[in-house]
This record gives sequence, structure tokens and C-alpha cells, in this order.
Amino acid sequence: EPEVTQTPSHQVTQMGQEVILRCVPISNHLYFYWYRQILGQKVEFLVSFYNNEISEKSEIFDDQFSVERPDGSNFTLKIRSTKLEDSAMYFCASKGGYTFGSGTRLTVV
Amino acid sequence: AQKVTQAQTEISVVEKEDVTLDCVYETRDTTYYLFWYKQPPSGELVFLIRRNSFDEQNEISGRYSWNFQKSTSSFNFTITASQVVDSAVYFCALREGGSEKLVFGKGTKLTVNP
Repeated sequence: EPEVTQTPSHQVTQMGQEVILRCVPISNHLYFYWYRQILGQKVEFLVSFYNNEISEKSEIFDDQFSVERPDGSNFTLKIRSTKLEDSAMYFCASKGGYTFGSGTRLTVV
Repeated sequence: AQKVTQAQTEISVVEKEDVTLDCVYETRDTTYYLFWYKQPPSGELVFLIRRNSFDEQNEISGRYSWNFQKSTSSFNFTITASQVVDSAVYFCALREGGSEKLVFGKGTKLTVNP
């Protein structure tokens, strides 16, 4: 069964550093999403991406965040200058939210 | 605004008991979609079911069943004869027809004890 793949599974970064989280969505899907889950809390929508542009974003997705589909297979989330409160599990998802990746746990120290 | 409420923060049952997880939603849209996900201790989100607002038929899948009632804006999830492997956090989520975003409830942590 097709999967959404996320790398790395765990990333530790220094506060103020840039970080890029990577996702390989299911190939024939057209919509891609990023969600985050702060430890012990609910899953929160960040952004949806369709036809190489952002179709919807939440108030969390401020200027520190950006998304890109640099090639036909990868979908990335960049955080420009990480803060302690960016520590969370970040999930990539594919069309409709049926399929989530296994997540990247980001720890900002 | 759309909202999902899972009033049960934690539930603990003994194996083989039936358990129902409650989900109440709010939306002004007539077209919307409801979801349930399972998040085991390993952390991934596992899709369980999607239901659209025009289909109130209840669904059964093995030991899992879902009761969708528009009159009470509820989409409850029942596990019959629970097993230890059912221990996880379960999230209910809502997507309005004009949006791509899922709005999640806070989740219910289910512990099934042997």
C-alpha cells in the first residue's frame, strides 16, 4: 500500500537554526499538507499545498515557515529560525488526510 | 467556526469490555467530513474512517463501529471486546466542504488493561 514517507524521524536543532523537514507524498496525489502536534496536545493544521502553491494556511504558519515542492516527489517544510516552542511532531499528509506520514519529531534546544 | 470536542480525556477498561469514545462537532457547513484516527504509542496517525455529512448510515468494521447522528452533531466510536492492542490515543476530526484543513479534537487516551 502506498505510503507517505517522512525524513528524518527525529531531528535535534539549536534555537535560531534553520531546519528542513522532508516528505515524499503518495505520487499520484495532488494535495499535500503539514500538521504539527506539540507533545501531549492535539494535532494542528499548518498548511495545504496544491498545484505548487499554498491553498490554505493557519495562523500558526507565519513568516518563519515555508513549504516547497522542489521536484516531482519531495515536499518540504522549512522553519527559518527555530524557537523552543517549535518543538513538536510534524506530520506530512496526502490528499484528504487519509494518509499521514509517520512524523518527524523536532526538538529545539 | 468549526470545532471538535472529545470530552473524555482518558478512559481505562479491562480487556474484552466494550468502550465508546465520544465526539461532538460544530460546523455551519452542510457539507463536511468526519474522521477518526488512532495514534498508538509509536506516534504515527492511523486513519480509521471517513464519513461525509450526507451519509448517516452507521458503519461496522470488525470490532469497530461508528454511530453518526446529525441531530446531536455526534460521531461516536465503539470498540467491541477491546484488546490490549487497542490502547492508543484516538482523535476525531472534521473537515468542512470548502476547506482542505482537518480540525482535530484533543483526543481520548484509551488504556486497555489485561
